[in-house]
Amino acid sequence: DQQVKQNSPSLSVQEGRISILNCDYTNSMFDYFLWYKKYPAEGPTFLISISSIKDKNEDGRFTVFLNKSAKHLSLHIVPSQPGDSAVYFCAASGSGGNNDMRFGAGTRLTVKP
Amino acid sequence: KAGVTQTPRYLIKTRGQQVTLSCSPISGHRSVSWYQQTPGQGLQFLFEYFSETQRNKGNFPGRFSGRQFSNSRSEMNVSTLELGDSALYLCASSPVVTSGTDTQYFGPGTRLTVL
Repeated sequence: DQQVKQNSPSLSVQEGRISILNCDYTNSMFDYFLWYKKYPAEGPTFLISISSIKDKNEDGRFTVFLNKSAKHLSLHIVPSQPGDSAVYFCAASGSGGNNDMRFGAGTRLTVKP
Repeated sequence: KAGVTQTPRYLIKTRGQQVTLSCSPISGHRSVSWYQQTPGQGLQFLFEYFSETQRNKGNFPGRFSGRQFSNSRSEMNVSTLELGDSALYLCASSPVVTSGTDTQYFGPGTRLTVL
C-alpha cells in the first residue's frame, strides 16, 4: 500500500538554485513527517522533520512545508549545492511507531555545478 | 562513536536457500529495526527489536525472522529465498523503542541478490 508517494523519481537542478522535492500521503492519521538523505553505499541519514501541528520547519538551507489539507509536504533546499546530490526519502508516521511508519520510494536529486 | 555496521555488505544466493544478515547498532543503542528497500517501493519496515524482544512487526511473511542478542546486535534471517527478496536490507538503531518521531541511525545496508 503506497501510503506515501514521491511521484518524481528524479530531479535535476543547477547549483545555487532552489530544489523542491515533493511528497504526498493518503493516511490522515499520520502526524509526523521526516526527510532522509541517502548517498550511494551509505544508509539514509536524517535530514529534517515536521510535526503535524506545524506547517513549516527550517534548518539552515533546508525547509520542510506541510499542507495537511492537501496531504502534501515538500522539502526546499536553497541554495542547492553539488554535495546535496543524493536520494531523498520522505517518511510519515502515526502513533504506532515503526509499525505505522511509511517511506516514499525516493527522489534522486542531481545538482549540477 | 562508531556507526551502525552491517555484514556482509553484498550477498548472492539462489532460490530456496536461506540467508542470515547481521547488524551491530551504535554503542548504547538498544533498539534495532530492519527495513527492506526495493526500487519503486521505498523502505518497508520489517521488524524492531528492543532488549532482545520483538516490539513491532511489519507486514512480511513468516519467512522473515529476526533476533537480538544481549549485546543489542541483531540478526535477520530469510528462509526459502525467492527472487523477489532481492533488495537492500537496512538496519537502523535508536537508543529507545522508536515512536515514529525519533531519529534512527541507519547502517549502509546489505545488498542481497537472489538468483
